Amino acid sequence: GQQVMQIPQYQHVQEGEDFTTYCNSSTTLSNIQWYKQRPGGHPVFLIQLVKSGEVKKQKRLTFQFGEAKKNSSLHITATQTTDVGTYFCFLGGTASKLTFGTGTRLQVTL
Amino acid sequence: ETGVTQTPRHLVMGMTNKKSLKCEQHLGHNAMYWYKQSAKKPLELMFVYNFKEQTENNSVPSRFSPECPNSSHLFLHLHTLQPEDSALYLCASSQDRGLADTDTQYFGPGTRLTVL
Repeated sequence: GQQVMQIPQYQHVQEGEDFTTYCNSSTTLSNIQWYKQRPGGHPVFLIQLVKSGEVKKQKRLTFQFGEAKKNSSLHITATQTTDVGTYFCFLGGTASKLTFGTGTRLQVTL
Repeated sequence: ETGVTQTPRHLVMGMTNKKSLKCEQHLGHNAMYWYKQSAKKPLELMFVYNFKEQTENNSVPSRFSPECPNSSHLFLHLHTLQPEDSALYLCASSQDRGLADTDTQYFGPGTRLTVL
């Protein structure tokens, strides 16, 4: 079946440092979504990427879709304690088996 | 909130009990989902319903039985569960499943299930 690995599994940063999580698929994707789950909460949609090489920004968050549409990244500039949580990529689309990535848990300390 | 509610929020049951989880969405969506979240498998899709019809069953054991009486309600009936079934069960909904590649999922708060 479809394998969706995210790396790293866990990262601990100090506030103000940057953070990046990578999502890698074994198959070419039609689109990819990113979700964030705060501790004790539920996943919340962040963004969707559709085009090869697409880059989207949301304030300090930058999302990128790989040229081959097999990988994606989420980069946070100057992390804040409010960024704490687990970040999941999600593979959807009509041709895909719905699959969440393994997730990257981010811990931010002062 | 997201417009997706789940009850109960916490459930403790024995292996011989029968219980049901309920999910309701107030977003006018046509697709609803059950996910299992545990330490071993962060977000594991269980079932998908689109327009009340089950479209995906991700090889879930028969001790989990879904029911979707209408597009707004989704149930997960539980019987003779095992301790390893203890997890957070999340319900989600989206506008559609199958017609568009761009559906966003809206999640409920989840039911924390403990099987003794």
